[in-house]
Amino acid sequence: AQSVTQLGSHVSVSEGALVLLRCNYSSSVPPYLFWYVQYPNQGLQLLLKYTSAATLVKGINGFEAEFKKSETSFHLTKPSAHMSDAAEYFCAVHGGYNKLIFGAGTRLAVHP
Amino acid sequence: DAGITQSPRYKITETGRQVTLMCHQTWSHSYMFWYRQDLGHGLRLIYYSAAADITDKGEVPDGYVVSRSKTENFPLTLESATRSQTSVYFCASITTGGHGEAFFGQGTRLTVV
Repeated sequence: AQSVTQLGSHVSVSEGALVLLRCNYSSSVPPYLFWYVQYPNQGLQLLLKYTSAATLVKGINGFEAEFKKSETSFHLTKPSAHMSDAAEYFCAVHGGYNKLIFGAGTRLAVHP
Repeated sequence: DAGITQSPRYKITETGRQVTLMCHQTWSHSYMFWYRQDLGHGLRLIYYSAAADITDKGEVPDGYVVSRSKTENFPLTLESATRSQTSVYFCASITTGGHGEAFFGQGTRLTVV
């Protein structure tokens, strides 16, 4: 069965610093992986997705993620954090029948 | 307006009452889902539907009932609400064809007292 694990429920960075949010997956088949972002009192919106076309995936708002099969990882990065990046981030994997299986989430805080 | 809408946005109900959360999408997406979001658990799948009149259980279906008589609507009913069902509920839809982007509603914050 597919699953994802997000390491670190809270991450705090300074404005302008590198953002690194970690996600490891478990899948018996080639996975389809996603990162979603949730701003306060809102639903989730797609940041980026990996569907086997390229291992480095670029998303919205300057985020990108690299699929590493050898490490079963799909970490999310952004070179320079902005105050507006403060949100909760979810890694997800397709679990069959178009179901998305989510990690527990990582709350990103950005301080001046 | 195009999109996926949930109603109500906020609901307080008493233990033992029946509550229905509504979800409506305007795209005619085949797949629809109900998730609940709880601190420390992320989003957990309650029920999903592949098409009208086709539904199936997700990870945490106990105490919930769904129906899908029309493609655009996917209501979630709590038959007899319990305090453990206090949560934020999200409805989502995905286009046919697989591996596509899931579109989420704004969520319904349900409190059972």
